[in-house]
Amino acid sequence: QKEVEQDPGPLSVPEGAIVSLNCTYSNSAFQYFMWYRQYSRKGPELLMYTYSSGNKEDGRFTAQVDKSSKYISLFIRDSQPSDSATYLCAMRINNDMRFGAGTRLTVKP
Amino acid sequence: GAGVSQSPSNKVTEKGKDVELRCDPISGHTALYWYRQSLGQGLEFLIYFQGNSAPDKSGLPSDRFSAERTGGSVSTLTIQRTQQEDSAVYLCASSFLTDTQYFGPGTRLTVL
Repeated sequence: QKEVEQDPGPLSVPEGAIVSLNCTYSNSAFQYFMWYRQYSRKGPELLMYTYSSGNKEDGRFTAQVDKSSKYISLFIRDSQPSDSATYLCAMRINNDMRFGAGTRLTVKP
Repeated sequence: GAGVSQSPSNKVTEKGKDVELRCDPISGHTALYWYRQSLGQGLEFLIYFQGNSAPDKSGLPSDRFSAERTGGSVSTLTIQRTQQEDSAVYLCASSFLTDTQYFGPGTRLTVL
């Protein structure tokens, strides 16, 4: 079993849809949880960063962490074609970072 | 600089040749990381530097892979006697201490 599981998709939605991306993890010691967005042929860029269980909102993006279930989510409201990218979840203990495989999202106009 | 930079952006080499990949981290960042991303795969951790020392080399896939960092800044990842399975995107990231990692654009390596 991988430490971090993420459905690779691909996921295709119409413009304006609500997108839900998810990861599960096995190591309860993970302290920090992140979502990175990676456009084609670019490096990952940090999108959201959370520490505790609960929700964190930033514009159209909401990150949710449930430590008891070892489950994290990223919600994108009013999705736009410019949101089309691969979304990677990541989690960290000190310098030890683990990434999900990434979910490829396409938002169709 | 404004962000992490990597060079070259693309590298095509023949099997058996050595390659060097370079990473320039964000100025002031103490930690530097190398990852490998293969098609359809997540990021595979290779090595991590804190300053010039590498406390964690556990991810290097074989002894053909080595990395160094000088002056607490630039890092070079060297792959000797490249194999076709080394073909991937090599990503570098930097952070201040154990804070958030910021990634460079990557070097796309193709071994023929």
